[in-house]
Formats: sequence, structure tokens, C-alpha cells
Amino acid sequence: KNEVEQSPQNLTAQEGEFITINCSYSVGISALHWLQQHPGGGIVSLFMLSSGKKKHGRLIATINIQEKHSSLHITASHPRDSAVYICAVRAGTGNQFYFGTGTSLTVIP
Amino acid sequence: EPEVTQTPSHQVTQMGQEVILRCVPISNHLYFYWYRQILGQKVEFLVSFYNNEISEKSEIFDDQFSVERPDGSNFTLKIRSTKLEDSAMYFCASTARPLNSPLHFGNGTRLTVT
Repeated sequence: KNEVEQSPQNLTAQEGEFITINCSYSVGISALHWLQQHPGGGIVSLFMLSSGKKKHGRLIATINIQEKHSSLHITASHPRDSAVYICAVRAGTGNQFYFGTGTSLTVIP
Repeated sequence: EPEVTQTPSHQVTQMGQEVILRCVPISNHLYFYWYRQILGQKVEFLVSFYNNEISEKSEIFDDQFSVERPDGSNFTLKIRSTKLEDSAMYFCASTARPLNSPLHFGNGTRLTVT
């Protein structure tokens, strides 16, 4: 049973393209995190959302609590954006986290 | 910028041995977590820790595992009697406030059980 589903699993884009990664979840949450995992394995937090929309540079994250869905958008994609993007939710009833399987993004110059 | 540090970066151990993975969270953070990622699989939650006690643990976190904050700065994960399937990358993370602050991850410890 997957509490968090991400799509697509793999994504290849040309440099400059607009990219969207989707995340759906089935549990009640108190927060949703978008994480970036580099090829070396390190994980960096990009966004934490509980409602609405956040923007940081070329990255935009949105969440629709009623539909239990979040999207991560990358504008003007660049090869350095190539990484695995992971959606994770903090379950609303406690301090437990559920992770998606990640979306592997490759941006080609 | 302060960061979460984990040691060692890579640990190799024989099946049946005990290992201790160490983490130093960011100093003003109050909530600490351990996660693991088996090669090629998704990140999995193991345990959360607040106020010197476990606040939540997953099904994975059975009696083989324990966590401790021995001295106010270190946060350790002990795995007793390691099994081959414990081989994974183990990540520590911390946050100041789970509802308002992002998670900060360490670089992970790659555990190899032979």
C-alpha cells in the first residue's frame, strides 16, 4: 500500500522546458515536503507546504488539500536540476512520514 | 549555514554485529528523525524523537533498533545483530518545528552488512 504516489517515475526534458512533477497522497497530513536527492545520495529540502503555493527561484510548489494533491514545477529547466525529486508527507495524527518513490529528472542540454 | 552531520559516511559490518550510527543535529532543533533507503528503493521513515523520547516509529523500527540522545548533541541509531537486509543508506534529519520549519538532512551513512 502506497500512501504517497508520484508521477512520472522518470522524466527527461530539454534544457529550458517547463517541468511538472505530481504527488498524490491518501492519508491526512499536517505538512507536505518536496525534497531533492542528488546522485551522490544527499537529500535537500526544497519546500514544506501545508496550503497554497510557494515559490523559490525557478521552483514552484502547490498543494490542494481537498484533492490531496501537490505539484512541483520547475521553470526554465537546467541540467543542474537533474536529480530525484521526492514527495514526503507528515501524517496529520503524529510525527510519522511517508515518502513517494521519487521522480528521476534528467535535463538534457 | 548550520548542517546536520552524520558519521561515519560508510560502515561495513559483519552479520550479527551491532552498529551505532551517529548524528549531530542542528543545535537549536528539537525534533529528530532517522530514515533509511535501501538501494534502488524509496526513503522509509524509521523513527521520530522529541523531548528525549520516541514520538513515533514505523513497523520497521522493531526491537533490533534503538535511538538515544546520550549527551544533548549526538543522536544515535543502534542496530543490534545486523542482518544482510539492514544494508541501506541511513539518513538523520532534524527540524526546529515540524509544522513550520523544513527538514534538514545529514549526508547519510551507508551501511553494508556482509
